[in-house]
Amino acid sequence: LAKTTQPISMDSYEGQEVNITCSHNNIATNDYITWYQQFPSQGPRFIIQGYKTKVTNEVASLFIPADRKSSTLSLPRVSLSDTAVYYCLVGRNTGRRALTFGSGTRLQVQP
Amino acid sequence: GAGVSQSPSNKVTEKGKDVELRCDPISGHTALYWYRQSLGQGLEFLIYFQGNSAPDKSGLPSDRFSAERTGGSVSTLTIQRTQQEDSAVYLCASSFGDGETQYFGPGTRLLVL
Repeated sequence: LAKTTQPISMDSYEGQEVNITCSHNNIATNDYITWYQQFPSQGPRFIIQGYKTKVTNEVASLFIPADRKSSTLSLPRVSLSDTAVYYCLVGRNTGRRALTFGSGTRLQVQP
Repeated sequence: GAGVSQSPSNKVTEKGKDVELRCDPISGHTALYWYRQSLGQGLEFLIYFQGNSAPDKSGLPSDRFSAERTGGSVSTLTIQRTQQEDSAVYLCASSFGDGETQYFGPGTRLLVL
């Protein structure tokens, strides 16, 4: 399994753009990159998934360079409600059933 | 529609007692997963179901842990002779199929005294 490395914590202010980078040097050809968000006392929530280049949805953007050894989750104009732990996961979209979560990045948004 | 539900939301038990945790997946989801999250930690995979069968039980920490799924729907995670180190949040997730996006329930917070 590809191991992921991401910052333990980040601080930001409301209205700013937040970029969280995840390193996954051993990513395999068939692996996808997925990000989950977890609020206190809740289960993780799927945010976005990508394979290469850029993916955007109503919540976030995911930037993946050509070598795919890292990825960056971009949250535009964060609000206090974006305070959460963000997990980067790497794995196959099929065949690998369980998700392997690291320690995640704890994002604290200040007013 | 309704999301993944779990019960009870909180469970306090005494060391040595057995506990049962229940998961109701999203209707139509064939895959079901159990994870465990200790305080301040990431999630630890326990077991995966496809339908009623469990092709991957590799994460179960000991033989005190077992799980079953009936009717391709509800799943029960049983912990026998609970120990204090079993205290954690037990999370259930379901997905439409193998490899699809997993949707998590709110978890059951287990405290073993």
